[in-house]
Amino acid sequence: QVTLKESGPGILQPSQTLSLTCTFSGFSLSTYGMGVGWIRQPSGKGLEWLANIWWDDDKYYNPSLKNRLTISKDTSNNQAFLKITNVDTADTATYYCARSRENYFDYWGQGVMVTVSS
Amino acid sequence: DIHMTQNPVSLSAFIGDKVTITCRASQDISRYLGWYQQKQGQSPKFLMYYASNLLSGVPSRFSDSGSGTEYSLTITGIQPEDAATYFCQQCYSYPLTFGSGTKLEIK
Repeated sequence: QVTLKESGPGILQPSQTLSLTCTFSGFSLSTYGMGVGWIRQPSGKGLEWLANIWWDDDKYYNPSLKNRLTISKDTSNNQAFLKITNVDTADTATYYCARSRENYFDYWGQGVMVTVSS
Repeated sequence: DIHMTQNPVSLSAFIGDKVTITCRASQDISRYLGWYQQKQGQSPKFLMYYASNLLSGVPSRFSDSGSGTEYSLTITGIQPEDAATYFCQQCYSYPLTFGSGTKLEIK
């Protein structure tokens, strides 16, 4: 059974760095073809893909967030991470991690709400 | 970036109706398209990908079609539990992009 769960700070101030953790089970990020992606969704709005990391440590980022994103993984502990630097109110959203296969997202976490507010 | 235009923004249907949601890509995505269902207050659920590869457990009333830049998701015989927002996603190239969503209301 594949499960994923996101964790994060809940609330942070503008200009801070957002650190998110995805803890998963039921698959391994050392298995060929496996990946984890991060997607966010502002309240009442659509889905925005942020980044993917793959079993071979290949990484892809959404260029709309320029150089603010860093994705990483800890294969032995079944975790993936996302950092977003210099946050502002536009980064307020629910953040999801999801298992990625061939760039699709077949299992999603429950999401973690992040609010950026001064 | 590949832009995904999804229509309609919302629609209403009766139980048993057939509805179709369309997604148009700004360039040929060679059927590298997935569909997701998101119910109110829940995370998205993956329905199908790459031309009718229905995920295990997804009812057969869901089907898709399309090629090139034009794709559609059809639900034949709407059920109350189909009330949700549906998103398409192109998996052809980075950055991965989603349609803006179609909200399906059951009358």
